Amino acid sequence: QQQVKQSPQSLIVQKGGISIINCAYENTAFDYFPWYQQFPGKGPALLIAIRPDVSEKKEGRFTISFNKSAKQFSLHIMDSQPGDSATYFCAARMWTGANNLFFGTGTRLTVIP
Amino acid sequence: DAGVTQSPTHLIKTRGQQVTLRCSPKSGHDTVSWYQQALGQGPQFIFQYYEEEERQRGNFPDRFSGHQFPNYSSELNVNALLLGDSALYLCASSLTPTDTQYFGPGTRLTVL
Repeated sequence: QQQVKQSPQSLIVQKGGISIINCAYENTAFDYFPWYQQFPGKGPALLIAIRPDVSEKKEGRFTISFNKSAKQFSLHIMDSQPGDSATYFCAARMWTGANNLFFGTGTRLTVIP
Repeated sequence: DAGVTQSPTHLIKTRGQQVTLRCSPKSGHDTVSWYQQALGQGPQFIFQYYEEEERQRGNFPDRFSGHQFPNYSSELNVNALLLGDSALYLCASSLTPTDTQYFGPGTRLTVL
């Protein structure tokens, strides 16, 4: 059972456009929601993260929007660049005494010049 | 400052064999977690080590075991390899068990 559902599976955006990736969860025990960026052959790198008591967090061109009542959160990449082309994973942490992250299935973003 | 390092980079084994993967955490980090990432999927939590003990385990069989050494480095052992164990194995370290996890580049395991 997929604890975190992510969409779309792939996304193609023109340079300068906005990329939007959505995630949804069911378990209200999740207390921390990070986004990771992964390039081919590399491990995931933390991009930005949010806690459920905040509705939005912005860092540079990257923004997380969080809707606690709908149990949904999304990543917006403003002014998308070809260098942003990568696979993006949303994740959710369930604090059970260990830092157990549940990942979505990933979104492959391609930014066309 | 070196990040999380893993060895080897790639590994090819045959069914039934055993494998050991190694991880050195980021400097100052004392917690190590292991994840399995199948092709085209997100990483799945295997277990976390802190103070040389396994603190939490994901939905993986006992064929997967680990160890953490006094210098905080860690090993992942997989026995009786199956074709389905072919994946990228990621190690992540954090300052404490609750802090942000930083991932290494992974070890690509192929089971033939």
